[in-house]
Amino acid sequence: KAGVTQTPRYLIKTRGQQVTLSCSPISGHRSVSWYQQTPGQGLQFLFEYFSETQRNKGNFPGRFSGRQFSNSRSEMNVSTLELGDSALYLCASSTPSGPGDGYTFGSGTRLTVV
Amino acid sequence: AQSVTQLGSHVSVSEGALVLLRCNYSSSVPPYLFWYVQYPNQGLQLLLKYTSAATLVKGINGFEAEFKKSETSFHRTKPSAHMSDAAEYFCAVSDKGNNAGNMLTFGGGTRLMVKP
Repeated sequence: KAGVTQTPRYLIKTRGQQVTLSCSPISGHRSVSWYQQTPGQGLQFLFEYFSETQRNKGNFPGRFSGRQFSNSRSEMNVSTLELGDSALYLCASSTPSGPGDGYTFGSGTRLTVV
Repeated sequence: AQSVTQLGSHVSVSEGALVLLRCNYSSSVPPYLFWYVQYPNQGLQLLLKYTSAATLVKGINGFEAEFKKSETSFHRTKPSAHMSDAAEYFCAVSDKGNNAGNMLTFGGGTRLMVKP
């Protein structure tokens, strides 16, 4: 079966712009979570959506937001981009059974802010 | 809040040598525990998971991990390293509970280098 699909794979944006990243989970997975990976901070949890509702949120400013659609696809948006937002953004999906089933990650979107 | 510590951000071993990657977690209640691998410019691949069944978990390619509650550890070992094992490895935890949601807390990662 198809894995977790993230688009686009690479993105270059200018400071002050906004960006939208997309994630399509594995079919049947209703939970989608987002992570930011940087060399300095490592992997940090952004937020998680389940059945179109944000269920958990990490410690990120309000410029980072997300949403989930009825087909479980999710988008995350970053407004007023800063140089420090340059990172690999990873999306993960999980089954409704809960965290014990594990999480399947996409290949990520590498965002570069110049 | 959960925290995960991976001792050794870089580990270098010779091909054929024992590999030990260390992971300690902070929770007083045993969480779910995972090991992931990441290759350059790729996402994370799940290698092992502990969900309160057997304390010794076996994965692919000869890797295994042992959950030790008394030490709050989930170290990962492989008896004989192979060149293809070179990658970055992440230990992660997730709380249990129906309302815990799906949220992973990661360690800082260990980059494994295998020398010929």
